[in-house]
Amino acid sequence: SQTIHQWPATLVQPVGSPLSLECTVEGTSNPNLYWYRQAAGRGLQLLFYSVGIGQISSEVPQNLSASRPQDRQFILSSKKLLLSDSGFYLCAWSVDVYGYTFGSGTRLTVV
Amino acid sequence: AQSVTQPDIHITVSEGASLELRCNYSYGATPYLFWYVQSPGQGLQLLLKYFSGDTLVQGIKGFEAEFKRSQSSFNLRKPSVHWSDAAEYFCAVGGGGSYIPTFGRGTSLIVHP
Repeated sequence: SQTIHQWPATLVQPVGSPLSLECTVEGTSNPNLYWYRQAAGRGLQLLFYSVGIGQISSEVPQNLSASRPQDRQFILSSKKLLLSDSGFYLCAWSVDVYGYTFGSGTRLTVV
Repeated sequence: AQSVTQPDIHITVSEGASLELRCNYSYGATPYLFWYVQSPGQGLQLLLKYFSGDTLVQGIKGFEAEFKRSQSSFNLRKPSVHWSDAAEYFCAVGGGGSYIPTFGRGTSLIVHP
């Protein structure tokens, strides 16, 4: 069966520090991968998506970047965190149009 | 462009009461419609989805939703709510060749004992 792993679950980082969040998928090949951010009391904001290795599309210009070094690995990064980067980050995958499977999320607090 | 409106930010119901969460969409063709549930501090879980066929779809945890094309709606229902149903509920619409659905802002369900 397919599973998605996202870590860490929680993270507290100082302003100006780097960030690396990792997401991996098991049990499927060539998935579409997504990073979303959810601010407190807000909906889901699509940050990046990838339909293949090395193919990254950015939806919102910001302080973050994404990479897909392997077929089932998706990484969200920042060189210098801002206070506004705080939020709940969700990774998701799909192989067709019939719905996503989400990871359990990372709560990022920038202090 | 596709869009989703969830008109209710919060809904409060008593345990055992029936529930209906509203979702209205805008899409140029036959949409793919989804409902997701998010417990506090967790990711989203797919409750049910509609692509074609029977307009009344059954999902997990006793939920169902009805697609009404004439009203551009896909409302989520449950006949008897349990305290564990307290969560955030998201409606989403997609379709065609797009792998990326559009999500609504979510409805927070509060269940009173």
